[in-house]
Amino acid sequence: GESVGLHLPTLSVQEGDNSIINCAYSNSASDYFIWYKQESGKGPQFIIDIRSNMDKRQGQRVTVLLNKTVKHLSLQIAATQPGDSAVYFCAEIPYSGGGADGLTFGKGTHLIIQP
Amino acid sequence: DAGVTQSPTHLIKTRGQQVTLRCSPKSGHDTVSWYQQALGQGPQFIFQYYEEEERQRGNFPDRFSGHQFPNYSSELNVNALLLGDSALYLCASSYGRELYEQYFGPGTRLTVT
Repeated sequence: GESVGLHLPTLSVQEGDNSIINCAYSNSASDYFIWYKQESGKGPQFIIDIRSNMDKRQGQRVTVLLNKTVKHLSLQIAATQPGDSAVYFCAEIPYSGGGADGLTFGKGTHLIIQP
Repeated sequence: DAGVTQSPTHLIKTRGQQVTLRCSPKSGHDTVSWYQQALGQGPQFIFQYYEEEERQRGNFPDRFSGHQFPNYSSELNVNALLLGDSALYLCASSYGRELYEQYFGPGTRLTVT
């Protein structure tokens, strides 16, 4: 079946550098995408979201880019800090509105911050 | 304002046994979704409860069942446990069945031996 996947399982960056985490999705009907951060021993924490009618959305130190032509999603973290170390998941909702088949998650990228 | 809480935090069971996990949603939320997260994988949707009924279900066998109480809290039951059921079980709450603003609890780590 269709699923959300990630390009890299592990990403190592220097503290202070920018991080880019990528995600590919295959369901063209996907309407809404979310990035989650999951620290060890904790549940996923919402970072930022984007609807399919948008190309870019910015938050505090984070930016999500959506390229519907190639079905690609990315999360950019500016000035990476030690507290950014975590596993990052992209997730999609295939339909507008609630009540769909739950969120579909990718496998995750482990972001490691080097001092 | 209490977030999503889950109990217990850890649990060890033997194959064939049954287990019940509990979740209390974030204040103001009325919908609870359950996810299974195997080690090194992303969470997989099990089912969603709203108005005390199962509304949506993922690709999980009938051994997985649940319940929602009038106070919106929820239970996940798994019968005839298999080794492959070992995972982190996450509860997420939202309002009005919306998936857009789901808040996750810390999870229950289930180990089946």
